[in-house]
Amino acid sequence: GENVEQHPSTLSVQEGDSAVIKCTYSDSASNYFPWYKQELGKRPQLIIDIRSNVGEKKDQRIAVTLNKTAKHFSLHITETQPEDSAVYFCAASLATFGKGTHLIIQP
Amino acid sequence: NAGVTQTPKFRVLKTGQSMTLLCAQDMNHEYMYWYRQDPGMGLRLIHYSVGEGTTAKGEVPDGYNVSRLKKQNFLLGLESAAPSQTSVYFCASSYSGGQTGNQPQHFGDGTRLSIL
Repeated sequence: GENVEQHPSTLSVQEGDSAVIKCTYSDSASNYFPWYKQELGKRPQLIIDIRSNVGEKKDQRIAVTLNKTAKHFSLHITETQPEDSAVYFCAASLATFGKGTHLIIQP
Repeated sequence: NAGVTQTPKFRVLKTGQSMTLLCAQDMNHEYMYWYRQDPGMGLRLIHYSVGEGTTAKGEVPDGYNVSRLKKQNFLLGLESAAPSQTSVYFCASSYSGGQTGNQPQHFGDGTRLSIL
């Protein structure tokens, strides 16, 4: 089955700086890669996703890149703000999630 | 639309007791999922369903059973609760996607379950 590795487990950045979270996957047949944000005590919510026929996708300050050859994809958040503090999860295949990254935005 | 609704929100059980967690969605989604979330472990798939009357095992199915008798409902059962099943349980649903492939999942608010 699919296996998803996510790094780092914790990321602390200064407000206004960029943050990058990376994931690798094992199943070359996977074709859909969503990212979810989970605030403390809340449900995970989709923030951006990418399909295997696209290399990059942007939505305002958030972007995702996909390298199918290397089987890895990354979440990029620019100009980070306090409200970006949360746990971020990547996923691949039907329902295989990474273990999450706790993003901390330092004022 | 309420989206995905989980019942109950909190529950405390004693070891050996049984209970059923209910998930209901009003988005006419074909796929439904049950996850457990433990600190540092992310979201782990327990069971899932790709349509009414169908269920399949996920990564951590032992100790749980599920049923999908109606398209809008997905039930998770614990027959004999154990302390290791203390966790936050999330239900999710999604469209099948058809030829366009997998679709985003919509999550409920979770059920916090403690087994003493």
